[in-house]
Amino acid sequence: GAGVSQSPSNKVTEKGKDVELRCDPISGHTALYWYRQSLGQGLEFLIYFQGNSAPDKSGLPSDRFSAERTGGSVSTLTIQRTQQEDSAVYLCASSQGGGTGELFFGEGSRLTVL
Amino acid sequence: AQRVTQPEKLLSVFKGAPVELKCNYSYSGSPELFWYVQYSRQRLQLLLRHISRESIKGFTADLNKGETSFHLKKPFAQEEDSAMYYCASDAGGTSYGKLTFGQGTILTVHP
Repeated sequence: GAGVSQSPSNKVTEKGKDVELRCDPISGHTALYWYRQSLGQGLEFLIYFQGNSAPDKSGLPSDRFSAERTGGSVSTLTIQRTQQEDSAVYLCASSQGGGTGELFFGEGSRLTVL
Repeated sequence: AQRVTQPEKLLSVFKGAPVELKCNYSYSGSPELFWYVQYSRQRLQLLLRHISRESIKGFTADLNKGETSFHLKKPFAQEEDSAMYYCASDAGGTSYGKLTFGQGTILTVHP
């Protein structure tokens, strides 16, 4: 595809359920990022994958959050036992890596926890 | 940890007026600074980066290390500039490639 693809675009779930959000980065991009966008909090860094290096998980807010990147491409962000405060737009981005470069963002996955 | 602060959540100006979106960072080294923009119903995208020293859509931003600021400016705002603007920094080192974003400023340009 031409850009970063995220799915689902919208997800409504009940408190306590698990959710998975998917990100398909731009082909050839070695770096992949997850951010959370919410009113008043701006863009909150969650996790960063760069090539085969260990991911930087320093932004994950709790152990209910996890992410993996399979084959250096597609990434899945998993939120277990969702809480209402998890409601936000989850943005994925990719870049060519190897240093600071332009991040290309997906359209985001809007999560609503009832 | 590095921090990026955008003190204004909302900023309103009239068309043709100058606009300045403030951004301050807390990092003692030499970070790389960026401005990203999100127009209505569009993806977040890069507007400009300080190392390029370029003007994009009439916007410029100067890195002031003494004030640790990277304010975004445009002399004559246009209605199409209405959007959410995020300032971001890359502290480099072991965090190279990882951007820290500010809280964002919603700019509204009135006709």
